[in-house]
Amino acid sequence: NAGVMQNPRHLVRRRGQEARLRCSPMKGHSHVYWYRQLPEEGLKFMVYLQKENIIDESGMPKERFSAEFPKEGPSILRIQQVVRGDSAAYFCASSSQTGNYYNSPLHFGNGTRLTVT
Amino acid sequence: KQEVTQIPAALSVPEGENLVLNCSFTDSAIYNLQWFRQDPGKGLTSLLLIQSSQREQTSGRLNASLDKSSGRSTLYIAASQPGDSATYLCAVRTPGSARQLTFGSGTQLTVLP
Repeated sequence: NAGVMQNPRHLVRRRGQEARLRCSPMKGHSHVYWYRQLPEEGLKFMVYLQKENIIDESGMPKERFSAEFPKEGPSILRIQQVVRGDSAAYFCASSSQTGNYYNSPLHFGNGTRLTVT
Repeated sequence: KQEVTQIPAALSVPEGENLVLNCSFTDSAIYNLQWFRQDPGKGLTSLLLIQSSQREQTSGRLNASLDKSSGRSTLYIAASQPGDSATYLCAVRTPGSARQLTFGSGTQLTVLP
């Protein structure tokens, strides 16, 4: 039973380019969360999605960032026109839909480390 | 606004010692608290999840306790091993922002052989 799969593991982009980060949740999980870990800082919530719906994007910057979780395929976190301050580790987590979603543990992937040069 | 604090930020112990990691949170009205382990350059591994109605959870050499009224949780590691070296994070889910986990900044544990 594969865990949460994120790719790529490392991504290097020049300023102004686009970054696309992918996340496949654990089998049977329909809730996906994205978190960002800046250097020397803790993990900060960005966005919470269910299939085809953004439920909570309160932690995501209003500009340049977008996320989707289509009916088929992985969840995508997209960063347009990247800047150096976007350099961070981006983690995806998933949880199951059984019972109350907030009582389900989150399972994290290994992250994508984005470096903007 | 919920805030989570972990003290100490770093801890170094000799192999075989029992140790306690601390986590405190400002808003005691939580749904649950989850402990994670993060190895350098890796993702987070879920260790234990304690629901607000529970007092403790155990898994192998790990025991996590929760005192909701005082806003505290501890992670007890028995007979520590060098393989336990990692950063340990606690996170809470709070009504009102239940879609988000609020994380502490972690305790970096080093177990010396």
